[in-house]
Amino acid sequence: NAGVMQNPRHLVRRRGQEARLRCSPMKGHSHVYWYRQLPEEGLKFMVYLQKENIIDESGMPKERFSAEFPKEGPSILRIQQVVRGDSAAYFCASSHDSNSPLHFGNGTRLTVT
Amino acid sequence: QKEVEQDPGPLSVPEGAIVSLNCTYSNSAFQYFMWYRQYSRKGPELLMYTYSSGNKEDGRFTAQVDKSSKYISLFIRDSQPSDSATYLCAMRGGLTGGGNKLTFGTGTQLKVEL
Repeated sequence: NAGVMQNPRHLVRRRGQEARLRCSPMKGHSHVYWYRQLPEEGLKFMVYLQKENIIDESGMPKERFSAEFPKEGPSILRIQQVVRGDSAAYFCASSHDSNSPLHFGNGTRLTVT
Repeated sequence: QKEVEQDPGPLSVPEGAIVSLNCTYSNSAFQYFMWYRQYSRKGPELLMYTYSSGNKEDGRFTAQVDKSSKYISLFIRDSQPSDSATYLCAMRGGLTGGGNKLTFGTGTQLKVEL
């Protein structure tokens, strides 16, 4: 399966812990996007990255959230000191270039207890 | 007011029916329009990708864009139970208008009954 791979599929964290979500883009794709989906809400853009660069992080909360896409390895979305309001489905998408359609992974469902 | 409005449904139709799904939007900078299908506990799957106004057909699916009315539609012909899912509209600006950052509707839940 050459699609966008996300892991873990489910992640449970206690309040105050750190959550790390991983995303491997489709083969040949160098553009990665993170979206968050809350119940009854649509997908909300968080951040857009290319290899080693953050292009647009206008949707990222100012505190506790960070993202990276290193030269080698998957993109990581990191949430420090998680709170209950961080519980959501986090989706990663990738594209071949900045103008091509986005293809999504199956998401990581984060539950904060 | 949300930038993209989409009736959440649920919409229930009999097998074989023609389904019409719609979104309205307020941002005139949007130029690229997409429809995604999302099954429960899965990621969105791209169905249709269109640029500017007009129609695009792919099998049983037809996407329509009316930029003058800021209204987009997805039609599904000969609907099947396997079409039961949530349908998300998404859109973005041109190359210099927000890049590939998509704005989504909240999704319409569709159920096709046997």
